[in-house]
Amino acid sequence: NAGVTQTPKFQVLKTGQSMTLQCAQDMNHEYMSWYRQDPGMGLRLIHYSVGAGITDQGEVPNGYNVSRSTTEDFPLRLLSAAPSQTSVYFCASSYSMDSYNSPLHFGNGTRLTVT
Amino acid sequence: AQTVTQSQPEMSVQEAETVTLSCTYDTSESDYYLFWYKQPPSRQMILVIRQEAYKQQNATENRFSVNFQKAAKSFSLKISDSQLGDAAMYFCAYSASGSRLTFGEGTQLTVNP
Repeated sequence: NAGVTQTPKFQVLKTGQSMTLQCAQDMNHEYMSWYRQDPGMGLRLIHYSVGAGITDQGEVPNGYNVSRSTTEDFPLRLLSAAPSQTSVYFCASSYSMDSYNSPLHFGNGTRLTVT
Repeated sequence: AQTVTQSQPEMSVQEAETVTLSCTYDTSESDYYLFWYKQPPSRQMILVIRQEAYKQQNATENRFSVNFQKAAKSFSLKISDSQLGDAAMYFCAYSASGSRLTFGEGTQLTVNP
């Protein structure tokens, strides 16, 4: 069972470039989310989705887009990369938003550097 | 908005000793959940322990236990008999019922042999 798969593991972008971070899960989870992790700031929620066709903004959505055309996939798009988006990005999924009875499963993260 | 604060950026402990990591949170909700996650150098996020706010009994998972003080809005993690494999970044997290997780800043734990 693959769980939550994120690609790529590492990426270097130049300012202004665009790219898509891929996230796929094979557990039939309805809830999927993207976090960014920065030193001294913990993990902050970027966007989330409670099912196919439904997305919503988290705490730090600016500069990022998401879509959820299938239950399995939840890509994160950087429209015009900025150095402030240098971070480690995590995708996470669970059966529902009930985080106690449906614990989050995390991917292994993508380390993104914007120069 | 709910906030989670971990006031100890770094902690260290001798192998086989006990260490306590602190976490405080702010909320106006009465029904919520609290969590501790571990992130080793592999970057994988691992759920260590969880607590329901309406349960007065502190959660325990083997060598890991919590001290949940609801009135003080405090949720500390105690690691007993520390092992080298416990070295990691530890995150405290909060979730109101049916809502998304909010994480603290993290505490980097070093275990000295």
